[in-house]
Formats: sequence, structure tokens, C-alpha cells
Amino acid sequence: GDSVTQMEGPVTLSEEACLTINCTYTATGYPSLFWYVQYPGEGLQLLLKATKADDKGSNKGFEATYRKETTSFHLEKGSVQVSDSAVYFCALRRGHPNAGGTSYGKLTFGQGTILTVHP
Amino acid sequence: GAVVSQHPSWVICKSGTSVKIECRSLDFQATTMFWYRQFPKQSLMLMATSNEGSKATYEQGVEKDKFLINHASLTLSTLTVTSAHPEDSSFYICSARDFRSTGPNQPQHFGDGTRLSIL
Repeated sequence: GDSVTQMEGPVTLSEEACLTINCTYTATGYPSLFWYVQYPGEGLQLLLKATKADDKGSNKGFEATYRKETTSFHLEKGSVQVSDSAVYFCALRRGHPNAGGTSYGKLTFGQGTILTVHP
Repeated sequence: GAVVSQHPSWVICKSGTSVKIECRSLDFQATTMFWYRQFPKQSLMLMATSNEGSKATYEQGVEKDKFLINHASLTLSTLTVTSAHPEDSSFYICSARDFRSTGPNQPQHFGDGTRLSIL
């Protein structure tokens, strides 16, 4: 079955440090890949996404590149801020976009990585 | 942008009571909604897929008589935790897929979650 593996946390960084959170996946076909962020006390928000190999998703200074050859989708940011402290989830969605059906749209999540950024 | 409203955001109940959680799509119609459960420091686990006008599809290991799902309209799905016990305490999150969208970039929108505490 599908699975997503993230690097274990928690990750603690100083402000302006570089961030990398590793994510690898196992899935058949060509899944879409996502990073979601959950700020303290809030629900999930989509951070960025990529729908095919070599696509790069980016948002708020975060980037991730869909690497099919290594089945990875690592999240990176060159300079983190205190406000980036949150839990980050890598996820995949498998299924043909036009197949419809009741299961398309189902996400498989990684275990989440807690990021804490200190001033 | 599309919004999913989840209610209540926080509920504390006595053991043995039933708790209903609502998930509403506010500005779009959702033929499919998903219910997730998040344990502390763990990832989101899909519980069930809710389909408008038909029975929900439950993931393996999820008791359908314990977690009743009703998707009576294109904008509302409810999750009822029946005869709740302390081990049901968790964070429950719903998400909805806009049925008008097609293709690989079909969005999925998350509610802010419901924190359920059973005493």
C-alpha cells in the first residue's frame, strides 16, 4: 500500500538557519505530493504541492521538488523564522484525476515533523 | 477561497455519551468528504470516506458502529462518536473535495479540527 516516511523530529533551529525535512514515499503510478502545515492550535493548511515528476512546489519561502527517481519530496527553506514553528506533514494522493470514484482524493500522510524555531 | 467549517472546535463529554461533529463546505459542494483522526504526536489517520447519498467507506480497523458518518447533503457531513470512552479522545479533522474541480490540481480543503476529550 501507499506510505509516506518523514524524518523524525522534533527539529529545533535558530532563526535564519536552513531547514530540510526529508520525505520519501512508496506508491504505485504517479501520485501527487503535498506538504501540509499545522500551526499551534490550528487545522491543517496546504503549504505547497507538486503533481508530476520534477515539479517544484513553493510557497512562503518553502520549496520541495518531486523526485521520482529517489521517490522523495524534501521540504527546504533557506532561512527560517520563529513564525515557521509548526508541525509539517508530507502527504501523497494517488489516483487518476479523471477516474473519479469515491476514493480519489484520499491522502496518505507521513507522521509529521515538529519544527521549533528559536529567536 | 474555499472554506470548510468544522463544529464544534472543542468538546468535553462524559464517558458513555455520544458526540456529533459537523463538517460543512461553505462555498462549494462536496460529493466526498474525508474524516481523519490525529493522535498526540502522531500523524493523521484516515478513518472513513464520506460520500453524499451513500454509505461511508471505512478504513480497516475503524468501527463503523462506533463512528457513524452521515453525508446527507452536498455541503454537510457528520461524524458521531457513539458511547464515547476516554480512548476516543483525539483530534478529529475533516476535509472536503470540491466536486466541480477536475484534473490533477483538484483541491482538498481541511476543517480546523475538533478536539474531543472524554472524561
